[in-house]
Amino acid sequence: IQMTQSPSSLSASVGDRVTITCRASQSISNFLNWYQQKPGKAPKLLIYAAFSLQSGVPSRFSGSGSGTDFTLTITNLQPEDFATYYCQQSYSVLYTFGQGTKLDIK
Amino acid sequence: QVQLQDSGPGLVKPSETLSLTCSVSGGSISSSDYYWGWIRQSPGQGLEWIGSIYYSGNIYYNPSLKSRLTISADTSKNQFSLQLRSVTAADTAVYYCVRRMAAVKSYFDYWGQGTLVTVSS
Repeated sequence: IQMTQSPSSLSASVGDRVTITCRASQSISNFLNWYQQKPGKAPKLLIYAAFSLQSGVPSRFSGSGSGTDFTLTITNLQPEDFATYYCQQSYSVLYTFGQGTKLDIK
Repeated sequence: QVQLQDSGPGLVKPSETLSLTCSVSGGSISSSDYYWGWIRQSPGQGLEWIGSIYYSGNIYYNPSLKSRLTISADTSKNQFSLQLRSVTAADTAVYYCVRRMAAVKSYFDYWGQGTLVTVSS
């Protein structure tokens, strides 16, 4: 299952609201997870099953979607949120990731 | 707090075998609640799932790597390992060990720090 994210990169300012989109090549119900990765670090789970917030993750992160189209929304951007974000499907045991969306400071 | 610590050589020669080990603390790899496995990340391929092992001994491999791959576990040491044979430059990547929930809607909730493996003579 191919996962396609858009945009590939995004510039925003502290306090902004941003949305990242992930599209699956076939329906995956809500078997969709989101991760955040900072340079030199391992990815960190943010959201699982499309909209469930992982423990310890700030509530300014939210996820939505079902079927083939999903979104990650970050409200009130904080300096620590500038990173690369990946979606990942768990519908098929051959787990696949999107190519990533790099969020940087405008 | 669960911690995963991956370790292994940072440089492997072409055609040789890449071997990595992940040591787990704060949790047991014998738990039925989790799978333990590997993901790699390279500039060209992005994030790629390699495979997972379950406490029962069931192992799942990425078909694209299956012919060269062995994942195993040592419950006495609470470790699991990766062996990738006949490596080429395309196998150069950061390799992460990961924990995956044994749930219908699964996800990778703990990651090791990552080991950069370069394939070069």
